[in-house]
Amino acid sequence: SAVISQKPSRDICQRGTSLTIQCQVDSQVTMMFWYRQQPGQSLTLIATANQGSEATYESGFVIDKFPISRPNLTFSTLTVSNMSPEDSSIYLCSVEDRGRGVDTEAFFGQGTRLTVV
Amino acid sequence: DAKTTQPNSMESNEEEPVHLPCNHSTISGTDYIHWYRQLPSQGPEYVIHGLTSNVNNRMASLAIAEDRKSSTLILHRATLRDAAVYYCILRDVKGGRLASGTYKYIFGTGTRLKVLA
Repeated sequence: SAVISQKPSRDICQRGTSLTIQCQVDSQVTMMFWYRQQPGQSLTLIATANQGSEATYESGFVIDKFPISRPNLTFSTLTVSNMSPEDSSIYLCSVEDRGRGVDTEAFFGQGTRLTVV
Repeated sequence: DAKTTQPNSMESNEEEPVHLPCNHSTISGTDYIHWYRQLPSQGPEYVIHGLTSNVNNRMASLAIAEDRKSSTLILHRATLRDAAVYYCILRDVKGGRLASGTYKYIFGTGTRLKVLA
C-alpha cells in the first residue's frame, strides 16, 4: 500500500501569488490524481497526472490555473496560480495502488490546507 | 460518470450498528462499489469494496442489492472514532478507465455520520 506525503501541510498566501504543492509517494505508481475540497464540501477531481505526458484536466479546471508536473513515477506537483480567495481549499494528492487484498484501492495524502487572503 | 446518492447525515448511538445506504441506479455491469471515509482533518481512507456479492472485512460489511442499484455499508458496532464522512463511489470503468488500467474515483456528496456517546 502506498504512503503519500504532501508539502506544505498548510499555507496562507496573498492573492495574486502562486503556490506549488508537492506530492511524494513511497512506491512507483502510474497515475497520480489531484483533488480539491472546498470548505464543507466533497472532493472534486482536478486532474490526473501520468508520468511523461501532460496532465488530463476535468471539466472546469485548466492548465493555466493549475499546472501540474510529473517528472517521475513517485513525485508530482500542483501549482495554484494567480490565487484568489475562492481558491481557499484543501488540495489532496491521490494514487491507486494495491491494498491489503488483490485488488487496488485509492490512497490519499493528508492534504494541503490553503488560505488565500 | 455514474452517480451515487447518499443521505447528507446520519446519527448513531455508540456500540450500536449503523447502516449507511447508497443508491447507484445507473451502475454498469463492471463498476465496482467502493466506500471510503474521511475523518476530520484527514484524507479519505479505504473502507471496503465489492462487485456483486456481500463483503466483510475487519472494518465493515458491504451489502449489495441483487440488482446492484443500491448498497449498504454496515458498521457493526459504531464507536466515537467512526464519526466521519462516508463516501460511496463507483469506480467508473467505462468513463474513467485510463490507458494504464487505473480508474478515476469520483466522489459524491457523502454521508456525515455522527456517533453519540
